[in-house]
Amino acid sequence: GAGVSQSPSNKVTEKGKDVELRCDPISGHTALYWYRQSLGQGLEFLIYFQGNSAPDKSGLPSDRFSAERTGGSVSTLTIQRTQQEDSAVYLCASTSRIGSSGANVLTFGAGSRLTVL
Amino acid sequence: AQSVTQLDSQVPVFEEAPVELRCNYSSSVSVYLFWYVQYPNQGLQLLLKYLSGSTLVKGINGFEAEFNKSQTSFHLRKPSVHISDTAEYFCAVSPSGGYQKVTFGTGTKLQVIP
Repeated sequence: GAGVSQSPSNKVTEKGKDVELRCDPISGHTALYWYRQSLGQGLEFLIYFQGNSAPDKSGLPSDRFSAERTGGSVSTLTIQRTQQEDSAVYLCASTSRIGSSGANVLTFGAGSRLTVL
Repeated sequence: AQSVTQLDSQVPVFEEAPVELRCNYSSSVSVYLFWYVQYPNQGLQLLLKYLSGSTLVKGINGFEAEFNKSQTSFHLRKPSVHISDTAEYFCAVSPSGGYQKVTFGTGTKLQVIP
């Protein structure tokens, strides 16, 4: 697609429910990132996929969070048993190399705003 | 591992005045550096990047940044700000070479006062 697409744009859920957030990256971009943006916290790295390599899960805050990327394209971030502190905007980004330098210039989606009541 | 520090959470500045947003990073390897901007109710977009070569990098909307390796800094500057520059600015760092994790700072909110 022309840009990074995220759905849903807004999700309101009750504490304890599971949620799934979807990211459709730019066609041909092989690296995909998830970040969480909370008020006053900046962008918190969650997880990063690159091609067929094992994902870097070092930023996932707890075992309630998981993500997968199917077919090297669409990614789903799942939060189980949501808590109020999970409320945030979840951002997805994809990247392609700049020429031969391999720089990680990220193209972001509009985000999924999650509110846990 | 890399880290980024943006010490100023908010910077108020009068219209047409100059501004500098500070960014310092920590890394044991060579890095690429970035500034992203998030306008109100919009997504993040790239403002400028340093990959290699000239340490003075020019970006969109008249912004520029200078990479200072000895001071591990990548401060963002604009000689004369406009109301439309009101936004949140994020500094980011990644190790150079290949696909790598990109680490962001906590952001600086620039408030341009008419």
